[in-house]
Amino acid sequence: GENVEQHPSTLSVQEGDSAVIKCTYSDSASNYFPWYKQELGKRPQLIIDIRSNVGEKKDQRIAVTLNKTAKHFSLHITETQPEDSAVYFCAASFPGKSTFGDGTTLTVKP
Amino acid sequence: GAVVSQHPSWVICKSGTSVKIECRSLDFQATTMFWYRQFPKQSLMLMATSNEGSKATYEQGVEKDKFLINHASLTLSTLTVTSAHPEDSSFYICSALLQGRQETQYFGPGTRLLVL
Repeated sequence: GENVEQHPSTLSVQEGDSAVIKCTYSDSASNYFPWYKQELGKRPQLIIDIRSNVGEKKDQRIAVTLNKTAKHFSLHITETQPEDSAVYFCAASFPGKSTFGDGTTLTVKP
Repeated sequence: GAVVSQHPSWVICKSGTSVKIECRSLDFQATTMFWYRQFPKQSLMLMATSNEGSKATYEQGVEKDKFLINHASLTLSTLTVTSAHPEDSSFYICSALLQGRQETQYFGPGTRLLVL
């Protein structure tokens, strides 16, 4: 089955700096890669996603890149703000199933 | 759009009782829903995939007689934790699959279960 590895497990940055979270996956059948943000005690919320036929996607301060050949994808957050502090999960999906990474706890220090 | 609700949000029960958790897609139809379990500071552990009108598919290691799943309509899936014990205490989250081009899962707010 699919195996998703996510790094780092914790990340602390200063407000205004950039944050990068990386994931690798094993199953070449995966073709959809969402990123979720989960604040403490709340539901995971989709923040950005990318399909396998696209190499990069950007939405304001958030961007995701995908290297299908190397089977890795990354989340980039620029100009971080304290409200970006949360746990971020990547996932590798094919129709009907998603496999999640273990999560990255991002702390943005004011 | 794509709102998923869960009920109850909190439940405390005595050991040995059964607890039913409902997951509803409020503004779309979901032929597929997922049930996850999440321990503190850990990732989402998929328990089972719930398909409307058919039996749920359980992940390895998840007891289907312990965690009963029913997906009787296109907007409702239920998870029943039978004869709950303290080790079943956890955060249970459902998600509903939004069919279409992007196969996006939308999550419910979760149910926190505490078994005394």
